[in-house]
Amino acid sequence: GDSVTQMEGPVTLSEEAFLTINCTYTATGYPSLFWYVQYPGEGLQLLLKATKADDKGSNKGFEATYRKETTSFHLEKGSVQVSDSAVYFCALSRSGGSNYKLTFGKGTLLTVNP
Amino acid sequence: EPEVTQTPSHQVTQMGQEVILRCVPISNHLYFYWYRQILGQKVEFLVSFYNNEISEKSEIFDDQFSVERPDGSNFTLKIRSTKLEDSAMYFCASTYTQDTQYFGPGTRLTVL
Repeated sequence: GDSVTQMEGPVTLSEEAFLTINCTYTATGYPSLFWYVQYPGEGLQLLLKATKADDKGSNKGFEATYRKETTSFHLEKGSVQVSDSAVYFCALSRSGGSNYKLTFGKGTLLTVNP
Repeated sequence: EPEVTQTPSHQVTQMGQEVILRCVPISNHLYFYWYRQILGQKVEFLVSFYNNEISEKSEIFDDQFSVERPDGSNFTLKIRSTKLEDSAMYFCASTYTQDTQYFGPGTRLTVL
Protein backbone atom coordinates (compact mmCIF):
# COMPACT_ATOMS: atom_id res chain seq x y z
CA GLY A 1 0.00 0.00 0.00
CA ASP A 2 0.91 3.67 -0.08
CA SER A 3 3.25 4.99 2.56
CA VAL A 4 5.17 8.13 3.47
CA THR A 5 8.37 8.16 5.47
CA GLN A 6 9.50 11.35 7.10
CA MET A 7 12.64 12.32 8.86
CA GLU A 8 12.30 11.64 12.58
CA GLY A 9 12.16 14.69 14.77
CA PRO A 10 12.25 16.74 16.75
CA VAL A 11 14.34 19.27 14.87
CA THR A 12 15.66 22.28 16.77
CA LEU A 13 17.23 25.18 14.88
CA SER A 14 18.32 28.72 15.55
CA GLU A 15 16.60 31.57 13.77
CA GLU A 16 17.90 32.12 10.20
CA ALA A 17 19.27 28.58 9.96
CA PHE A 18 18.67 26.41 6.88
CA LEU A 19 15.95 23.78 7.16
CA THR A 20 15.61 20.43 5.43
CA ILE A 21 12.97 17.86 6.35
CA ASN A 22 13.31 14.68 4.34
CA CYS A 23 10.30 12.86 2.92
CA THR A 24 10.18 9.76 0.74
CA TYR A 25 7.16 7.89 -0.48
CA THR A 26 5.95 4.57 -1.84
CA ALA A 27 2.91 4.60 -4.08
CA THR A 28 1.54 3.09 -7.25
CA GLY A 29 0.71 5.37 -10.12
CA TYR A 30 1.48 9.07 -10.04
CA PRO A 31 0.66 10.58 -6.67
CA SER A 32 0.30 14.23 -5.81
CA LEU A 33 2.56 15.28 -2.96
CA PHE A 34 1.85 17.74 -0.19
CA TRP A 35 3.33 19.37 2.85
CA TYR A 36 0.88 20.31 5.58
CA VAL A 37 1.75 22.34 8.67
CA GLN A 38 0.12 22.17 12.10
CA TYR A 39 0.81 25.11 14.39
CA PRO A 40 0.38 24.55 18.13
CA GLY A 41 -3.28 24.08 19.03
CA GLU A 42 -4.46 24.40 15.44
CA GLY A 43 -5.56 22.16 12.58
CA LEU A 44 -3.77 21.19 9.41
CA GLN A 45 -2.97 23.86 6.85
CA LEU A 46 -1.75 23.18 3.35
CA LEU A 47 1.75 24.59 2.99
CA LEU A 48 2.60 23.57 -0.57
CA LYS A 49 1.99 20.87 -3.15
CA ALA A 50 3.30 19.36 -6.38
CA THR A 51 1.26 17.24 -8.73
CA LYS A 52 3.80 15.83 -11.17
CA ALA A 53 7.44 14.92 -11.48
CA ASP A 54 9.93 17.82 -11.36
CA ASP A 55 7.25 20.26 -10.16
CA LYS A 56 8.39 22.58 -7.40
CA GLY A 57 5.88 23.67 -4.80
CA SER A 58 6.61 26.84 -2.85
CA ASN A 59 4.96 29.03 -0.23
CA LYS A 60 6.11 31.37 2.56
CA GLY A 61 9.77 30.73 1.68
CA PHE A 62 9.37 26.96 1.85
CA GLU A 63 10.08 24.82 -1.21
CA ALA A 64 9.87 21.17 -2.19
CA THR A 65 10.59 19.47 -5.50
CA TYR A 66 8.82 16.30 -6.67
CA ARG A 67 11.62 13.85 -7.52
CA LYS A 68 10.17 10.74 -9.10
CA GLU A 69 13.56 9.08 -9.61
CA THR A 70 14.27 9.15 -5.87
CA THR A 71 10.58 9.10 -4.78
CA SER A 72 11.26 12.11 -2.59
CA PHE A 73 9.69 15.46 -1.70
CA HIS A 74 12.06 17.10 0.76
CA LEU A 75 10.99 20.35 2.40
CA GLU A 76 13.51 23.21 2.51
CA LYS A 77 13.67 26.77 3.75
CA GLY A 78 16.70 28.99 3.52
CA SER A 79 16.18 30.98 6.71
CA VAL A 80 13.72 29.83 9.37
CA GLN A 81 11.91 32.10 11.79
CA VAL A 82 10.57 31.50 15.29
CA SER A 83 7.07 31.62 13.79
CA ASP A 84 7.87 28.53 11.68
CA SER A 85 7.83 26.39 14.83
CA ALA A 86 5.19 23.74 14.12
CA VAL A 87 4.69 20.12 13.12
CA TYR A 88 5.22 19.44 9.40
CA PHE A 89 3.50 16.54 7.68
CA CYS A 90 4.40 15.12 4.30
CA ALA A 91 1.48 13.47 2.52
CA LEU A 92 0.46 11.93 -0.78
CA SER A 93 -2.73 11.31 -2.64
CA ARG A 94 -2.92 8.97 -5.56
CA SER A 95 -4.45 10.24 -8.76
CA GLY A 96 -7.01 8.18 -10.66
CA GLY A 97 -9.99 6.29 -9.34
CA SER A 98 -12.75 7.66 -7.19
CA ASN A 99 -10.93 8.27 -3.97
CA TYR A 100 -8.17 10.70 -3.11
CA LYS A 101 -7.49 9.94 0.51
CA LEU A 102 -4.35 11.41 1.93
CA THR A 103 -1.65 9.19 3.37
CA PHE A 104 0.46 11.06 5.90
CA GLY A 105 3.91 10.67 7.31
CA LYS A 106 4.39 10.70 11.08
CA GLY A 107 5.15 14.42 11.21
CA THR A 108 8.29 16.30 12.16
CA LEU A 109 8.25 18.75 15.05
CA LEU A 110 10.31 21.85 14.28
CA THR A 111 11.32 24.23 17.02
CA VAL A 112 13.08 27.47 16.07
CA ASN A 113 14.84 29.34 18.85
CA PRO A 114 15.54 33.09 18.73
CA GLU B 1 -11.65 33.05 2.13
CA PRO B 2 -13.99 30.07 2.59
CA GLU B 3 -13.00 27.57 5.22
CA VAL B 4 -14.07 24.28 6.73
CA THR B 5 -15.60 24.62 10.17
CA GLN B 6 -16.06 21.99 12.87
CA THR B 7 -18.08 21.84 16.05
CA PRO B 8 -17.59 21.37 18.90
CA SER B 9 -13.93 22.18 19.33
CA HIS B 10 -13.75 19.85 22.32
CA GLN B 11 -16.12 17.04 23.28
CA VAL B 12 -15.87 15.08 26.51
CA THR B 13 -17.96 11.94 26.82
CA GLN B 14 -18.29 8.82 28.90
CA MET B 15 -17.30 5.45 27.48
CA GLY B 16 -20.27 3.80 25.78
CA GLN B 17 -21.99 7.05 24.90
CA GLU B 18 -22.82 8.18 21.39
CA VAL B 19 -21.17 11.29 19.97
CA ILE B 20 -21.79 13.26 16.81
CA LEU B 21 -19.03 15.43 15.40
CA ARG B 22 -20.14 18.09 12.98
CA CYS B 23 -18.44 19.68 10.02
CA VAL B 24 -19.48 22.33 7.52
CA PRO B 25 -17.37 21.83 4.39
CA ILE B 26 -16.63 24.58 1.89
CA SER B 27 -19.87 25.19 0.05
CA ASN B 28 -19.05 24.10 -3.52
CA HIS B 29 -16.94 21.11 -2.53
CA LEU B 30 -18.03 17.63 -3.54
CA TYR B 31 -15.71 15.22 -1.72
CA PHE B 32 -15.63 14.94 2.03
CA TYR B 33 -13.32 13.15 4.44
CA TRP B 34 -12.79 12.36 8.09
CA TYR B 35 -9.34 11.78 9.55
CA ARG B 36 -8.19 11.31 13.08
CA GLN B 37 -4.98 11.96 14.97
CA ILE B 38 -4.33 10.17 18.23
CA LEU B 39 -2.10 12.32 20.42
CA GLY B 40 1.48 12.18 19.22
CA GLN B 41 0.72 9.94 16.27
CA LYS B 42 0.20 10.37 12.55
CA VAL B 43 -2.97 11.61 10.93
CA GLU B 44 -5.01 8.59 9.78
CA PHE B 45 -7.68 8.36 7.12
CA LEU B 46 -11.09 7.19 8.33
CA VAL B 47 -13.58 7.61 5.51
CA SER B 48 -14.29 9.41 2.27
CA PHE B 49 -17.75 10.43 1.05
CA TYR B 50 -18.97 11.45 -2.38
CA ASN B 51 -22.38 11.68 -4.01
CA ASN B 52 -24.10 10.81 -0.74
CA GLU B 53 -22.28 7.57 -0.18
CA ILE B 54 -19.07 6.26 1.30
CA SER B 55 -16.41 5.81 -1.37
CA GLU B 56 -13.76 4.28 0.86
CA LYS B 57 -13.28 3.50 4.52
CA SER B 58 -10.31 2.34 6.53
CA GLU B 59 -10.15 -0.65 8.86
CA ILE B 60 -10.57 1.79 11.75
CA PHE B 61 -14.03 2.75 10.45
CA ASP B 62 -15.96 -0.20 11.84
CA ASP B 63 -19.68 -0.62 12.53
CA GLN B 64 -19.49 1.83 15.42
CA PHE B 65 -18.82 4.67 12.99
CA SER B 66 -21.17 6.27 10.50
CA VAL B 67 -21.22 9.40 8.37
CA GLU B 68 -24.04 11.44 6.99
CA ARG B 69 -24.65 14.58 4.97
CA PRO B 70 -28.17 15.25 6.17
CA ASP B 71 -28.97 18.64 4.68
CA GLY B 72 -26.52 19.48 1.92
CA SER B 73 -24.31 21.61 4.15
CA ASN B 74 -23.37 19.61 7.24
CA PHE B 75 -21.22 16.50 7.22
CA THR B 76 -21.34 14.47 10.41
CA LEU B 77 -19.36 11.64 11.97
CA LYS B 78 -21.22 9.53 14.53
CA ILE B 79 -19.59 7.13 16.95
CA ARG B 80 -22.33 4.94 18.42
CA SER B 81 -20.64 3.59 21.53
CA THR B 82 -17.39 5.34 22.30
CA LYS B 83 -14.33 3.52 23.59
CA LEU B 84 -11.33 4.91 25.42
CA GLU B 85 -9.21 4.38 22.31
CA ASP B 86 -11.50 6.69 20.30
CA SER B 87 -9.94 9.64 22.14
CA ALA B 88 -8.26 11.67 19.41
CA MET B 89 -8.44 14.82 17.34
CA TYR B 90 -10.90 14.35 14.49
CA PHE B 91 -10.41 16.39 11.34
CA CYS B 92 -12.91 16.97 8.58
CA ALA B 93 -11.65 17.83 5.11
CA SER B 94 -13.27 18.73 1.82
CA THR B 95 -12.23 19.26 -1.77
CA TYR B 96 -13.72 20.17 -5.12
CA THR B 97 -11.00 18.94 -7.42
CA GLN B 98 -9.99 15.73 -5.66
CA ASP B 99 -6.57 17.29 -5.40
CA THR B 100 -6.04 19.70 -2.54
CA GLN B 101 -7.98 18.88 0.61
CA TYR B 102 -8.88 21.69 2.99
CA PHE B 103 -9.01 20.79 6.64
CA GLY B 104 -11.10 22.10 9.49
CA PRO B 105 -9.57 23.01 12.85
CA GLY B 106 -10.54 19.67 14.37
CA THR B 107 -12.63 18.39 17.26
CA ARG B 108 -10.78 17.00 20.24
CA LEU B 109 -12.71 14.00 21.54
CA THR B 110 -11.95 12.83 25.07
CA VAL B 111 -13.54 9.55 26.19
CA LEU B 112 -13.50 8.97 29.94
